[in-house]
Amino acid sequence: DIVMTQSPDSLAVSLGERATINCKSSQSVLHSSNNQNYLAWYQQKSGQPPKLLIYWASTRGSGVPDRFSGSGSGTDFTLTINSLQAEDVALYYCQQCYSAPLTFGQGTRLEIK
Amino acid sequence: EVRLVASGGGLVQPGGSLRLSCAASGFPFSMYWMHWVRQTPGKGPVWVSHLGSDGGNTDYAASVKGRFIVSRDNAKNILYLQMNDLRAEDTGVYYCTRVLESCGGHTCNPPGYLHHWGQGTLVTVSS
Repeated sequence: DIVMTQSPDSLAVSLGERATINCKSSQSVLHSSNNQNYLAWYQQKSGQPPKLLIYWASTRGSGVPDRFSGSGSGTDFTLTINSLQAEDVALYYCQQCYSAPLTFGQGTRLEIK
Repeated sequence: EVRLVASGGGLVQPGGSLRLSCAASGFPFSMYWMHWVRQTPGKGPVWVSHLGSDGGNTDYAASVKGRFIVSRDNAKNILYLQMNDLRAEDTGVYYCTRVLESCGGHTCNPPGYLHHWGQGTLVTVSS
């Protein structure tokens, strides 16, 4: 199984500042057939199911504000949240779908400083 | 509006069984692969099972293989998860999820981006 490791486990950022969350996969999730990274990011607010934020490592989901961006390739990926808003307080997970079974990172808790 | 409403969870003793259901609406159910995902408090989601749009293409996490069976009724727009020989480690909230891309054929294999999630149903395995 591909192991997804996120860093940091928790993060406190001031309103209006930038938050950066990292995700590392134990093997590459870049598919040579289409040059796509099979990597997604999810946001989970308290008491709610996860919400798909980013897929193909950098494509924003429908309705996702453009302050959220994803980058990276191969085994190292980053979720960046620019101009942090109060409503961005949540747990964030990365997930690979390059190979079965689908696997998720352990999560990063984002709080306001 | 896409809706996924899971039900059937509850408290069950080790070795017992439960059948989860997920009623889907707001999209052409028969055109989408579906997945079950489990989550326990403070932990990341854990994939459990998937099922292809036509009822084929099943797969299971190693920890549940041989004990869980996923199925669907495309006429009724319902996804099921039959859970047998339950163990304490099966405890958690079970979410039914729909993938991002439609895929109606038997040979297609859409990427596992989980676009829509239901609210989940809680399964507690304890004596």
